[in-house]
Amino acid sequence: QKEVEQDPGPLSVPEGAIVSLNCTYSNSAFQYFMWYRQYSRKGPELLMYTYSSGNKEDGRFTAQVDKSSKYISLFIRDSQPSDSATYLCAMRSSNDYKLSFGAGTTVTVRA
Amino acid sequence: DTAVSQTPKYLVTQMGNDKSIKCEQNLGHDTMYWYKQDSKKFLKIMFSYNNKELIINETVPNRFSPKSPDKAHLNLHINSLELGDSAVYFCASSQALATEQYFGPGTRLTVT
Repeated sequence: QKEVEQDPGPLSVPEGAIVSLNCTYSNSAFQYFMWYRQYSRKGPELLMYTYSSGNKEDGRFTAQVDKSSKYISLFIRDSQPSDSATYLCAMRSSNDYKLSFGAGTTVTVRA
Repeated sequence: DTAVSQTPKYLVTQMGNDKSIKCEQNLGHDTMYWYKQDSKKFLKIMFSYNNKELIINETVPNRFSPKSPDKAHLNLHINSLELGDSAVYFCASSQALATEQYFGPGTRLTVT
């Protein structure tokens, strides 16, 4: 079993819809959680960075962490065609510098 | 201004050859990384340098050797290339250990 599980999709939604992405993990020591966006043939770009449980909002993006369920989510409101990309979750514990990544979910927002 | 840059962007070579990929960051960061992304988009760390010192060295064949001439540069040399080495290699940097990582555009390596 992988340390971080993420549904690879693909996920196709109409413009304006809410996109919901999630990852589950098995290592209860994970404390720091990230979401990266990766456009085709580009490097991952950091979107959200959260510590421990709770919600964080940045514009149309909301990241949620539920440590009791070992589950994290990313919501994209009012999705745009420019949001079409692969979204990768990543996480690490407080005493480990290594990031553990999910496999990425490919999202297409249809105009 | 490109924060983390890599050269070359594409690399096509034959089995058995030796090749290098270069990475430079102009963010003033202390820590740099090499990742491998396979065909299923799975990103896996290979190496990390902090202040030119190797601190992460994952289970990677010793045909792969990183070199950090200074804090702004981290190169990856690969000897005796194999078909299974075909992947996209990403360089990343962070201000310090355990802070946000910023990725370069990637080097797509194809071994034929």
